[in-house]
Amino acid sequence: SQQGEEDPQALSIQEGENATMNCSYKTSINNLQWYRQNSGRGLVHLILIRSNEREKHSGRLRVTLDTSKKSSSLLITASRAADTASYFCATASYNNNDMRFGAGTRLTVKP
Amino acid sequence: DAGVTQSPTHLIKTRGQQVTLRCSPKSGHDTVSWYQQALGQGPQFIFQYYEEEERQRGNFPDRFSGHQFPNYSSELNVNALLLGDSALYLCASSEATNEKLFFGSGTQLSVL
Repeated sequence: SQQGEEDPQALSIQEGENATMNCSYKTSINNLQWYRQNSGRGLVHLILIRSNEREKHSGRLRVTLDTSKKSSSLLITASRAADTASYFCATASYNNNDMRFGAGTRLTVKP
Repeated sequence: DAGVTQSPTHLIKTRGQQVTLRCSPKSGHDTVSWYQQALGQGPQFIFQYYEEEERQRGNFPDRFSGHQFPNYSSELNVNALLLGDSALYLCASSEATNEKLFFGSGTQLSVL
């Protein structure tokens, strides 16, 4: 079963705008990760945030984590057409050895 | 340094047949996880292998089985294929459990 739920399911923006995607989860976590997938191929790891962290940056990416609300957000600043992809959050719990993925947000960045 | 490699890239089978998918993890990784991804959905965890043992299993029937070899490569076997088994099968490796996953490009399985 899937742990995370991304919101929105789809997002369409213009190049240069910021894109924000949200993820909610159900159980306590060890860490939360965001992945990107182009055209239904392999996923690429973007960023990992641990349960004791609140915010993390990597280039144009900013991730926040609110463990009290069991939610995370991924912000992509100054988006580019090449950012068009599906974005997934995945959670790792203390009790399981598997990463659980949400259904993803499909981002379209128009040039 | 090669990343995660999967073979074959595409496969077409008919209902009732059996299939074997293969995965070589990234160099230095000893943990291999398999995921099934239906069109428009997120990856669903099938199972994870570590030290040649199945360490964790998701909500998949016994028709799905696997193996890990001493060189850490892995196989996913699916018996008695159903139409609903049509999906992208992804292999991921990691240095340790619950850490950053490195994915292969996947095997697209079509069951007719």
